[in-house]
Amino acid sequence: ETGVTQTPRHLVMGMTNKKSLKCEQHLGHNAMYWYKQSAKKPLELMFVYSLEERVENNSVPSRFSPECPNSSHLFLHLHTLQPEDSALYLCASSQLGPGELFFGEGSRLTVL
Amino acid sequence: RKEVEQDPGPFNVPEGATVAFNCTYSNSASQSFFWYRQDCRKEPKLLMSVYSSGNEDGRFTAQLNRASQYISLLIRDSKLSDSATYLCVVGSNMLTFGGGTRLMVKP
Repeated sequence: ETGVTQTPRHLVMGMTNKKSLKCEQHLGHNAMYWYKQSAKKPLELMFVYSLEERVENNSVPSRFSPECPNSSHLFLHLHTLQPEDSALYLCASSQLGPGELFFGEGSRLTVL
Repeated sequence: RKEVEQDPGPFNVPEGATVAFNCTYSNSASQSFFWYRQDCRKEPKLLMSVYSSGNEDGRFTAQLNRASQYISLLIRDSKLSDSATYLCVVGSNMLTFGGGTRLMVKP
């Protein structure tokens, strides 16, 4: 069983759709993260949850809505996205400190 | 100035070569330093942490220069399997990723 699992691995959606990305960690970590990786750009931190409380929100548009129901699960709800939102969305977890980040395999999103 | 800056490369080297990457960071208060490796279309994975005294793990050596605010990664005896993008990561409470340096090791 991998440490951090993400579903779906691939997602194609129209600009008017609503979809969600899911992340689950089995490592007992107390922090979870969403990152965005676009072509030829550094990994961009989107959201951080520490002990299920959101502690970081890097000016992410409101069309991205995170949810952390417990320390093992993290969601990213997507609504009325734009084509420029097409990217690889990576979930990660760690112990606070910050400790080593363990990434999921990512969800590759294409917005048509 | 970018928070964490890396030469994007690519660095094209033959097998067996020694190659070095540098990474500069802007926040002098940074306390944590790492090198991550990311293979094509895969997630980043920790390669090694970087300690003030420098540290070595097999063919890989990492060093930190706080005065000049840079970290380095040296790879000796390059293997084909070392081909990847190497990400410099720096931070204190939060980690910031550099854009990565792409390495291609050729036969």
